[in-house]
Amino acid sequence: DAKTTQPNSMESNEEEPVHLPCNHSTISGTDYIHWYRQLPSQGPEYVIHGLTSNVNNRMASLAIAEDRKSSTLILHRATLRDAAVYYCILRDVRNLPGANNLFFGTGTRLTVIP
Amino acid sequence: DAGITQSPRHKVTETGTPVTLRCHQTENHRYMYWYRQDPGHGLRLIHYSYGVKDTDKGEVSDGYSVSRSKTEDFLLTLESATSSQTSVYFCASTGTGELFFGEGSRLTVL
Repeated sequence: DAKTTQPNSMESNEEEPVHLPCNHSTISGTDYIHWYRQLPSQGPEYVIHGLTSNVNNRMASLAIAEDRKSSTLILHRATLRDAAVYYCILRDVRNLPGANNLFFGTGTRLTVIP
Repeated sequence: DAGITQSPRHKVTETGTPVTLRCHQTENHRYMYWYRQDPGHGLRLIHYSYGVKDTDKGEVSDGYSVSRSKTEDFLLTLESATSSQTSVYFCASTGTGELFFGEGSRLTVL
């Protein structure tokens, strides 16, 4: 089952870029890479997703390695509000509901230093 | 934001009592999920549903049952609550895109 590996924690200074890595060496060709984040005392919220090409939206950018075995979520200028737990998950929409492709793990806790 | 709400948001109960948590979504999403979140374990899938009356077990389903009689509602039941079921429970729903999560239900079993 395709799962992901992330560092437990990272720190960043406010207003600096943050690169959050995710390894998914067993990714299949139909797995989309999704990122979610969970702010304190809230439910997780969607950040971004991609399949093969790099993606940008108003919240972040997603850089996907050419072999798709890893990806990086990029926050261009970290703010205090970005302090959260970030989850990288794989979703094969062809195999929904597929419990195995909804594995969140423990994510990366990002601390933003003022 | 997708309309997904959980009730109750907080509940304290005693060991051995039944508890039902409700998840309600207004997006007509086909898929719905119940997760629990505990320190050191992240989010773990309890049960999920892929349509009305269609449900299946997740990673940590023992001691829990679910029901989905309408598209918009997904109920999680603890038939006889135990202290190990003290947790924060999150409901989520999706079509085929992003997951939308509720705000969570904090359950304490004394």
